[in-house]
Order: sequence, then structure tokens, then C-alpha cells
Amino acid sequence: DVKVTQSSRYLVKRTGEKVFLECVQDMDHENMFWYRQDPGLGLRLIYFSYDVKMKEKGDIPEGYSVSREKKERFSLILESASTNQTSMYLCASSPPQTDTQYFGPGTRLTVL
Amino acid sequence: QKEVEQDPGPLSVPEGAIVSLNCTYSNSAFQYFMWYRQYSRKGPELLMYTYSSGNKEDGRFTAQVDKSSKYISLFIRDSQPSDSATYLCAMSRAGGTSYGKLTFGQGTILTVHP
Repeated sequence: DVKVTQSSRYLVKRTGEKVFLECVQDMDHENMFWYRQDPGLGLRLIYFSYDVKMKEKGDIPEGYSVSREKKERFSLILESASTNQTSMYLCASSPPQTDTQYFGPGTRLTVL
Repeated sequence: QKEVEQDPGPLSVPEGAIVSLNCTYSNSAFQYFMWYRQYSRKGPELLMYTYSSGNKEDGRFTAQVDKSSKYISLFIRDSQPSDSATYLCAMSRAGGTSYGKLTFGQGTILTVHP
């Protein structure tokens, strides 16, 4: 079975802190994605990566950056956390040439 | 206007009911259509995947696509309390050139009560 793991289930940070969210997949997938999920807004794509060291902006990249140094790991970085970044963050991966995405359990981030 | 619209509900039905979940979309470039199911405190998981207009059945679940109306549906027959979850529709343009990018609906919260 494909497994996507995220470093934390729950995280509480203060405004202005730098926040790292880690995602690891064990199926050698090329594509990896970071979403945020908010009530009434569904899943919105923040960034995605289709190869090591490659990244593309999604629909809402402002305030975020990403890093993909190894194929299995995709990190989301909040350079200076703000209260409007309080959300559920979901990581996903997929093989190439396919639309099937496999999701991690999510990290619920609260910024105070 | 969002590219994909989905009624967020919530939807509450008795056990055994037929459930209909729907999404509309505005971009005719969408060619692939999916339904994901998300249980509470879990990530979404793929439930159904369709390409062409028409119906696709898998057990108690039927996915329907009408490209001419830009409308997709998921039907659940004989609904069970274990079907209680958030259902998200998702769409993509073409897997090869879009790196698997999906556009999601807002999700519909479904509760099936015994």
C-alpha cells in the first residue's frame, strides 16, 4: 500500500514563527503536492513538485515556500506564520501520467 | 466564479437511502473526473475515477458524467452509517501535461444515521 506520512498531526505556532511541515512518501512517486483545506473552500493547491528540486506554484502560493531535495520528501515552509494560515494542510503524491493522488493524514496547524 | 462548484451540505439521510452528490464545472478542458472520500481526521482517498460521459458502477457506488451539461454525480445505494464522510469531486485536464494537478470541489459532508 502507498503510504504518505506527515510529520505532525497537530501543531500550534505563534505569529511570525517559521514553520516546517514535512511529508514523506514511500512509493517512489514523481509528483508531490501540498494543499490546504478550509471549510467551505475545499482543497486548494499551494505548491506541487514533479521532480527533485523542481517546484511549481499552485493556486495560493503566497506566504509559502517548498523544498524537495529528495524524491520521497516534500517540505512546506511558512516563512513567517500568520493567523490566516491556520488550516488543515494535506500532502499528496502521485505517479507520473496519472490523476490518482494518495494523501497523508493531514496536519492541523493553529497560528496564535 | 469557481471552476468547480459543489454543494457543501451538510446532507443527513437515514440508513438505506439513496444519496445523490453533485458537482458542476465551468471549464470544458476538464476530461477526467474523480470522487474522493474523506473520513474525519483522515486524508482523502480515491473512490471513483471516470473519463467519458456515462455511468460507472462499483458496488453500491455509481459515478455519472454528463460533459454536455458539465455536471457530474455520485450515487450511493443502500447507504450505510460507514458512508458518513466528506465527499469531494475532483477534475483534471490531462494527466500527461498537467503533472496530475487536480481541481477540487468544496466537498459535501454526508451523515447516514441508523
